[in-house]
Amino acid sequence: QKEVEQDPGPLSVPEGAIVSLNCTYSNSAFQYFMWYRQYSRKGPELLMYTYSSGNKEDGRFTAQVDKSSKYISLFIRDSQPSDSATYLCAILETSGSRLTFGEGTQLTVNP
Amino acid sequence: NAGVMQNPRHLVRRRGQEARLRCSPMKGHSHVYWYRQLPEEGLKFMVYLQKENIIDESGMPKERFSAEFPKEGPSILRIQQVVRGDSAAYFCASSPGQGSRGNIQYFGAGTRLSVL
Repeated sequence: QKEVEQDPGPLSVPEGAIVSLNCTYSNSAFQYFMWYRQYSRKGPELLMYTYSSGNKEDGRFTAQVDKSSKYISLFIRDSQPSDSATYLCAILETSGSRLTFGEGTQLTVNP
Repeated sequence: NAGVMQNPRHLVRRRGQEARLRCSPMKGHSHVYWYRQLPEEGLKFMVYLQKENIIDESGMPKERFSAEFPKEGPSILRIQQVVRGDSAAYFCASSPGQGSRGNIQYFGAGTRLSVL
């Protein structure tokens, strides 16, 4: 079983749609929960991070963590064509510094 | 305020040659991490370094791969006697190492290694 499982997609939505991206994890020692966005042939760009259960909002993006279910989500409201990218969930252990990534979900927002 | 700088962006090597990948962390960051992204796979941790110290190299292949982060200059990921399976994108990340965002990692644009 992988430590972090991410819905693989690909996901194709019309402009303006609400997008839901999801990951599950197995290790209770995980502390920080991140979402990165990666455009084709570019480096991962940090979008949001959180360390507690609940919601964290930043503009059109909302990160949600449910530690009891070991489930994390990223919601994108009013999606734009410029949101088309691969979205990576990443989780940081309490005791260490390595990030464990999901496989990524490729999102296409169609104008 | 420059981000994480990696060079070269693209590197072509023939089998058996050496590849050297360089990474300069963000200003004020003292921790460096290397990750590898193989085609059609996710990012995998390789090694975590602080200045002059390797903290965690549990993700690094045992042979042919080495990393350093000297007191002065960039971090170097070195791959000796490259093979075709080393073809991948290699990403460097850095973090401040202290404070509330001490372990939050920011990535460079990557070096794409192609082995012919």
